[in-house]
Amino acid sequence: SQELEQSPQSLIVQEGKNLTINCTSSKTLYGLYWYKQKYGEGLIFLMMLQKGGEEKSHEKITAKLDEKKQQSSLHITASQPSHAGIYLCGADRGSGGYNKLIFGAGTRLAVHP
Amino acid sequence: GAVVSQHPSWVICKSGTSVKIECRSLDFQATTMFWYRQFPKQSLMLMATSNEGSKATYEQGVEKDKFLINHASLTLSTLTVTSAHPEDSSFYICSAPSTSGGDEQFFGPGTRLTVL
Repeated sequence: SQELEQSPQSLIVQEGKNLTINCTSSKTLYGLYWYKQKYGEGLIFLMMLQKGGEEKSHEKITAKLDEKKQQSSLHITASQPSHAGIYLCGADRGSGGYNKLIFGAGTRLAVHP
Repeated sequence: GAVVSQHPSWVICKSGTSVKIECRSLDFQATTMFWYRQFPKQSLMLMATSNEGSKATYEQGVEKDKFLINHASLTLSTLTVTSAHPEDSSFYICSAPSTSGGDEQFFGPGTRLTVL
């Protein structure tokens, strides 16, 4: 079964609208990553969260990790067409200090002008 | 940030042939690299961990004799898909963790494999 559940699976918003993507884990998260991917391309690192209650922002994107470290949300404010793509959350499942990531199914975002 | 490259970016081959995909860390050394596979409209699935100087470790369900991994140097890992079949057609992406103390993992641009 999928360890990381992302919702929604897809999202279509009007330019300028806010949106939130969620990522829920069946296990405690010790490292939660958010990446963006354009179809058929590599992954662009957005943010990484480790501490319960942690929140990070970059430009118009804010990511949060809940206190129990089992759920994270990614919020985009005043969305732009450039925000369109696939958003993936990834969790650190490795040991020995190296990041062995597993990923959620992704959320496909389309932003209409 | 650090750069990871892949070669080729896309490849088309006939069924039954073998295809080699290279993953290079361009400005840092990577003793560990990861190989992922992504089918259309699906997420990345971890296939194996490539270890410099030792055997790769494979995820459950991934055939190690079909997907040969060689971590030849501190900057190069190769994935060879042997006797490729149409069901092996996919997007293959490699990644390498940061070695500068950060937690970021750097991903290559991916290789699209189409097996006819």
